[in-house]
Amino acid sequence: NAGVTQTPKFQVLKTGQSMTLQCAQDMNHNSMYWYRQDPGMGLRLIYYSASEGTTDKGEVPNGYNVSRLNKREFSLRLESAAPSQTSVYFCASRPNYNQPQHFGDGTRLSIL
Amino acid sequence: KNQVEQSPQSLIILEGKNCTLQCNYTVSPFSNLRWYKQDTGRGPVSLTIMTFSENTKSNGRYTATLDADTKQSSLHITASQLSDSASYICVVSAAAAGNKLTFGGGTRVLVKP
Repeated sequence: NAGVTQTPKFQVLKTGQSMTLQCAQDMNHNSMYWYRQDPGMGLRLIYYSASEGTTDKGEVPNGYNVSRLNKREFSLRLESAAPSQTSVYFCASRPNYNQPQHFGDGTRLSIL
Repeated sequence: KNQVEQSPQSLIILEGKNCTLQCNYTVSPFSNLRWYKQDTGRGPVSLTIMTFSENTKSNGRYTATLDADTKQSSLHITASQLSDSASYICVVSAAAAGNKLTFGGGTRVLVKP
């Protein structure tokens, strides 16, 4: 049982490049989330998907887009990367609001 | 604005000793409070959940307390082990549409032999 799998684990981009961070969960969870974690700050919600076919903005959505491809997969896209988007990105899922979120191990993204 | 403040930011303890981490929140209306453990290079993992009516909950050597009146929670680690070295994150859920989560900045714990 892999849980939440994120790819890639590490990535270095140049300013202006685009890329997609992948996330897949095998727990049949309804809700999925994308967070960023910066030093000294709590996890901040970028986008979430309460159920398959829906997506909503979180606290810091600017510069990002998401796609809930199916129940298992939720991707995060940076269309034109900026140095301010250097961060560790975490994907999470949970079956419903009363259950804890299950996190992947993160993607460490550096933008030069 | 909903906020979660954790203290201390970091602490160092000797193996076998106890320690207590604090979490103060202003999230309203309150639904529940979770403590997560995040090992270096890994994602957070849930340790405990506290609801409004619960004062204390244990998970092995971890004991969480909640005072809903003062909006404070603590996480006590008993007889610390080297594997307890991690960041501990307090997360408060609002009892509103979508159960919005507010994350604290975490307390980094280093256990030394």
